[in-house]
Amino acid sequence: QQPVQSPQAVILREGEDAVINCSSSKALYSVHWYRQKHGEAPVFLMILLKGGEQKGHDKISASFNEKKQQSSLYLTASQLSYSGTYFCGTAMEYGNKLVFGAGTILRVKS
Amino acid sequence: DTEVTQTPKHLVMGMTNKKSLKCEQHMGHRAMYWYKQKAKKPPELMFVYSYEKLSINESVPSRFSPECPNSSLLNLHLHALQPEDSALYLCASSQGQALQGHPWLGYTFGSGTRLTVV
Repeated sequence: QQPVQSPQAVILREGEDAVINCSSSKALYSVHWYRQKHGEAPVFLMILLKGGEQKGHDKISASFNEKKQQSSLYLTASQLSYSGTYFCGTAMEYGNKLVFGAGTILRVKS
Repeated sequence: DTEVTQTPKHLVMGMTNKKSLKCEQHMGHRAMYWYKQKAKKPPELMFVYSYEKLSINESVPSRFSPECPNSSLLNLHLHALQPEDSALYLCASSQGQALQGHPWLGYTFGSGTRLTVV
């Protein structure tokens, strides 16, 4: 079951903040976030496990609301290097089946 | 070594050809994956190997045949493909299961093989 991501695309100026959402109609075991730049492989950002936690590193953080089966990725004080397509990936059970959402295209302008 | 290496980077093949994609990692990861990605779409899971055994096959047509000869190597054998199979094929690996309280470093993806079927 593919998770639903929103928005589909967002354009920011450097220094602005953004939030990307990912939701599922099924109970989730984990939510992953990846960033893929054009022509490159997806790069792992973070994982959130059921238990409703919030994680972060640098100016990128994420939360997982287990009751709503929803995760949000927060990008603060965006930099040009944040540009790319952000995918959430969800797993419904303890296992290796990760299904990616359709992606959110983020473009940061100077 | 923190990389997943995929070869070849580009492949053009005819519909009657047989070819293979290769993926290698030396991070000690015990789970390896094949994903297919079309332009402007998310990666789609094809196969999962866990401890060298096929654990997930996402109803992939038999013209795609995976093989895991050892814990570091993953192959995808291709035969009688169709033009619609043209895509970027990504290999990934991971430590195993993600557990609360244990650091988990995510999937490491290779840079992919861009396949064109003519």
